[in-house]
Amino acid sequence: GESVGLHLPTLSVQEGDNSIINCAYSNSASDYFIWYKQESGKGPQFIIDIRSNMDKRQGQRVTVLLNKTVKHLSLQIAATQPGDSAVYFCAENMQDSSYKLIFGSGTRLLVRP
Amino acid sequence: EAGVTQFPSHSVIEKGQTVTLRCDPISGHDNLYWYRRVMGKEIKFLLHFVKESKQDESGMPNNRFLAERTGGTYSTLKVQPAELEDSGVYFCASSHKSNYGYTFGSGTRLTVV
Repeated sequence: GESVGLHLPTLSVQEGDNSIINCAYSNSASDYFIWYKQESGKGPQFIIDIRSNMDKRQGQRVTVLLNKTVKHLSLQIAATQPGDSAVYFCAENMQDSSYKLIFGSGTRLLVRP
Repeated sequence: EAGVTQFPSHSVIEKGQTVTLRCDPISGHDNLYWYRRVMGKEIKFLLHFVKESKQDESGMPNNRFLAERTGGTYSTLKVQPAELEDSGVYFCASSHKSNYGYTFGSGTRLTVV
C-alpha cells in the first residue's frame, strides 16, 4: 500500500547545530504535507505544513522542503535546542478525497548539550 | 480554548476484557478522528466522524472495534474483546474544517495483558 516513510529512525545533534529530518512518500496524488512533533506523553503537535504547489515554506526556526520529483520531504530545524528533542512525524494527505493522514514511522531527535 | 481531551490517559486490561476510550473534541469542531500507534510503529488512521456520522471508517481493524459519536459531540471507541495486539496509544483529533490541520489529544495508552 501507499505509505510515508523516513530514512533515519534516530538523529543525534549537538545543541546549536541545525537538524535535518527526511521523509519519503510514495503517493504522487498527495497534495498536502505536515510535520508533527511528539513529546513523551503528549499527542502529535503541528509544526509546519506545505501544499504541493510550493517547494519551500518557512516558519520560526523551521523550514519544510518539498521535492515532488523524487517524492521527498524534509524538515530543517535551525539552532537546535534541547526542547526540540522529540519524535518527529511527517504525514501526507489528499485533500480532495478522504481527510485522513498517512504518517511515517517517525524519527527521534536527540539534542546533546 | 480547551484542547482535545482523552480519557483515560492509561488503561491496563486483561485479554478478553472490554475497554472504552473517550474523546472530547474542541468545542465546535465537527470533524473528529481516531488514530492509533501500536508497537512503536507509525500512527495509523482508524476513522473519521463528521458530526455524528462516520465519514470514513476504512482504518478500523476488525469488528472488535466500535466507535460512536452520539449527538456529534464526544466520541467513544470500544474494544471488545481486547486482544494483545490492541496494545498501543490511541489518539483522537478534531478539526473545524476537514481540509485544515487538526489538533490531537494526548492519547490513551492501552495495555492488554
